[in-house]
Amino acid sequence: DQQVKQNSPSLSVQEGRISILNCDYTNSMFDYFLWYKKYPAEGPTFLISISSIKDKNEDGRFTVFLNKSAKHLSLHIVPSQPGDSAVYFCAASGGTDKLIFGTGTRLQVFP
Amino acid sequence: EAQVTQNPRYLITVTGKKLTVTCSQNMNHEYMSWYRQDPGLGLRQIYYSMNVEVTDKGDVPEGYKVSRKEKRNFPLILESPSPNQTSLYFCASSFFSGGINEQFFGPGTRLTVL
Repeated sequence: DQQVKQNSPSLSVQEGRISILNCDYTNSMFDYFLWYKKYPAEGPTFLISISSIKDKNEDGRFTVFLNKSAKHLSLHIVPSQPGDSAVYFCAASGGTDKLIFGTGTRLQVFP
Repeated sequence: EAQVTQNPRYLITVTGKKLTVTCSQNMNHEYMSWYRQDPGLGLRQIYYSMNVEVTDKGDVPEGYKVSRKEKRNFPLILESPSPNQTSLYFCASSFFSGGINEQFFGPGTRLTVL
């Protein structure tokens, strides 16, 4: 049973436009959510996180929104740049250090 | 430089030949974990350790062993590898925080079992 779902395997966006990556979860005990970015031949790197007590967290061009009632979070990248092309993983945890990952969304930003 | 290192980065082996993938971190993290990444399945946890001599199964532990004799090292052992263990493996570490800390990942080990 996939507790964290990323239903879009891929996304293609023009440079300068907004990229929106979505993530849904089923476990209401999750209280901390993270986004990781992964380039080919490298390990995932932490991008941004949000606690369940917030509904928005912003870091430069990256903003994560959390809708607890819908069990949905999204990552907005504005403006998108070619260097943002990577696979993005959503992850969740619930009071332990175990992270449950989604299946990933491959973002391609084209000129 | 704070980092998680894994060795080897690439490995091709044959069914049944025991192998070990090493993982080391220099951040004095208590929590360490192994994941495998497979197409369409994302990252799945194999084993984790909350501190020295404390290890536990993750979601897909079958066919794997781990040990944590020192805080910095967390090797992954495949006693008798099989083709279904062909995958991309990542080691990760973090401070033990009760779930509010991000994990730092190693660069990955691509394993092929023939």
